Amino acid sequence: NFMLTQPHSVSESPGKTVTISCTRSSGSIASNYVQWYQQRPGSAPTIVIYEDNQRPSGVPDRFSGSIDSSSNSASLTISGLKTEDEADYYCQSYDSDNPHVVFGGGTKLTVL
Amino acid sequence: QVQLVQSGSELKKPGASVKVSCKASGYTFRSYGMNWVRQAPGQGLEWMGWINTNTGNPTYAQGFTGRFVLSLDTSVSTAYLQISSLKAEDSAVYYCARDASSAWRFDPWGQGTLVIVSS
Repeated sequence: NFMLTQPHSVSESPGKTVTISCTRSSGSIASNYVQWYQQRPGSAPTIVIYEDNQRPSGVPDRFSGSIDSSSNSASLTISGLKTEDEADYYCQSYDSDNPHVVFGGGTKLTVL
Repeated sequence: QVQLVQSGSELKKPGASVKVSCKASGYTFRSYGMNWVRQAPGQGLEWMGWINTNTGNPTYAQGFTGRFVLSLDTSVSTAYLQISSLKAEDSAVYYCARDASSAWRFDPWGQGTLVIVSS
């Protein structure tokens, strides 16, 4: 079993760039795809990045994803921050050794 | 458009049962698996399991065996989550989410169903 660890919260100013990390506790981050979801208050999650770095149609290109094997982590980067980006963000992957889906604990992004 | 619409909020007493529905539209229901995710108040997302909409075979995450049952009615493109012997700690929002790619890409999600367990 592995865990995905995210910072509890991050904050940045409008127009700036923020990066949210998601560190896998064991096994390679590259072993299974990582997805990222945005959850605004009172709403259901929506996907913003899939398969590590793919952006669904309709998601602005200000959102990008990557993985780094050296730190065994995935990252979600949001550039040109807008107040509407204020939300909780969750990373998610799959544990193929003990088949189940794993979510990170979530990161609250504040844009102020 | 692809859409998942869940049933409304429920208020139940401890020991009772609840059945949450998730009606799919805009795609071939049997072509994509359906997942269920729990979100307790103020907490993160927790995967409960998924059901193969082609075979009807459910898979449950650890901690969601016994009192939790995933089922389907393919004739109406609907997935169900039933929870029996409800406890206060089952109070949460429950989401269904389609696996868009057979690679655990959850898209879209239902709007969520709030279940409150209180005497």
